[in-house]
Amino acid sequence: DVQVVESGGDLVQPGGSLRLSCAASGLSLRNYWMSWVRQAPGKGLEWVANIKPDGSEKYYVDSVKGRFIIYRDNAKNSLHLQMNSLRAEDTAVYFCTGGDDPDFWGQGTLVTVSS
Amino acid sequence: QAGLTQPPSVSKGLRETVTLTCTGNSYNVGNEGAAWLQHHQGHPPKLLSYRNNNRPSGISERFSASRSGNTASLTITGLQPEDGADYYCSTWDYSLRAYVFGTGTKVTVL
Repeated sequence: DVQVVESGGDLVQPGGSLRLSCAASGLSLRNYWMSWVRQAPGKGLEWVANIKPDGSEKYYVDSVKGRFIIYRDNAKNSLHLQMNSLRAEDTAVYFCTGGDDPDFWGQGTLVTVSS
Repeated sequence: QAGLTQPPSVSKGLRETVTLTCTGNSYNVGNEGAAWLQHHQGHPPKLLSYRNNNRPSGISERFSASRSGNTASLTITGLQPEDGADYYCSTWDYSLRAYVFGTGTKVTVL
């Protein structure tokens, strides 16, 4: 069975940092474009960032450029999102998803930015 | 960043047919088409259709996608209670160099 699991979500103060991780079993993430997608409370889905299978290309939504870094460790079959200078508006459930289109998803991890 | 425009909500009766739309521009939907996802709150979204309008394995034939110009459509036939959910379109935008989601349509099955 394919299983994708996110971790690292937490309550953090504005200006703080957090690292999210995504681990997979039953499939090799190295074959896929991987993305982070978030959903803020009461809002729709928002793409955050994605990364090419070999890690050579990365793209970000404007609102996180310069603050978030997406990276992957294909040897460990994992994906990560380093989030710095967090703001209240970054509060959301963060999903790890993979494929040229968002084909497989984790259950999500909650990030709350609040003082 | 600009997204894709979807009607906020639609209501239809059991076993009826509904068509959802997703309007973009020549840099996104018009160039790439759109994928479609179903999202029940509290669960991860589920991909219903790839940008090429093909269905992933295991997705019912009741869901079919198409595109005309800058507008993509998802048709759901024979509506069932479990089809009540939020539906999103999504695609790559070559101008923005970003992946974009639609604003989402809430489908209510009466």
